[in-house]
Amino acid sequence: AQTVTQSQPEMSVQEAETVTLSCTYDTSESDYYLFWYKQPPSRQMILVIRQEAYKQQNATENRFSVNFQKAAKSFSLKISDSQLGDAAMYFCAYEDDKIIFGKGTRLHILP
Amino acid sequence: DSGVTQTPKHLITATGQRVTLRCSPRSGDLSVYWYQQSLDQGLQFLIQYYNGEERAKGNILERFSAQQFPDLHSELNLSSLELGDSALYFCASSAGGVLYEQYFGPGTRLTVT
Repeated sequence: AQTVTQSQPEMSVQEAETVTLSCTYDTSESDYYLFWYKQPPSRQMILVIRQEAYKQQNATENRFSVNFQKAAKSFSLKISDSQLGDAAMYFCAYEDDKIIFGKGTRLHILP
Repeated sequence: DSGVTQTPKHLITATGQRVTLRCSPRSGDLSVYWYQQSLDQGLQFLIQYYNGEERAKGNILERFSAQQFPDLHSELNLSSLELGDSALYFCASSAGGVLYEQYFGPGTRLTVT
């Protein structure tokens, strides 16, 4: 069965600095999708970035980028120039026919 | 605002009772997904419907059922409620399957007392 592991329950970063959130997953599939979702205190789930497994190029969305290592089954999220509004719970997710979420990493932004 | 609406926002009920949660997808979206977020289990996929048909099933208990109606809104029915069913229930919608982004609703907070 597929699993998603986020080994950092909480992290803190200084405003304007860069932080990397880790995610590893386990699957025997070759075609799948990976996601990072953000859940701010409002509880709304917001898609941050997605990566198709067949694409070697790492996805980028403004200040958010991923480091996708397919062979290592690793999918980390880098947030550059951290802002106070980035404070949230971040979930890594894997999807082939069903979506599976990691337990989440709570990110604190220090002013 | 994602365009997905969920009612009610909050629900408090007693053990053994039955409740219905409602979800209206974004205009044009054919797929609806249901998720449960609890403190101990995290965020779990329950079930997906596509254009009225069940498409995929996750960790949905037998006490729970869902359906998607011809107007594409969906309902999640939870019966014989237990304390452990207290959670935030999300609905999400998308245009189709994995190729399309899911848009999440604001959730329904269920408290079972």
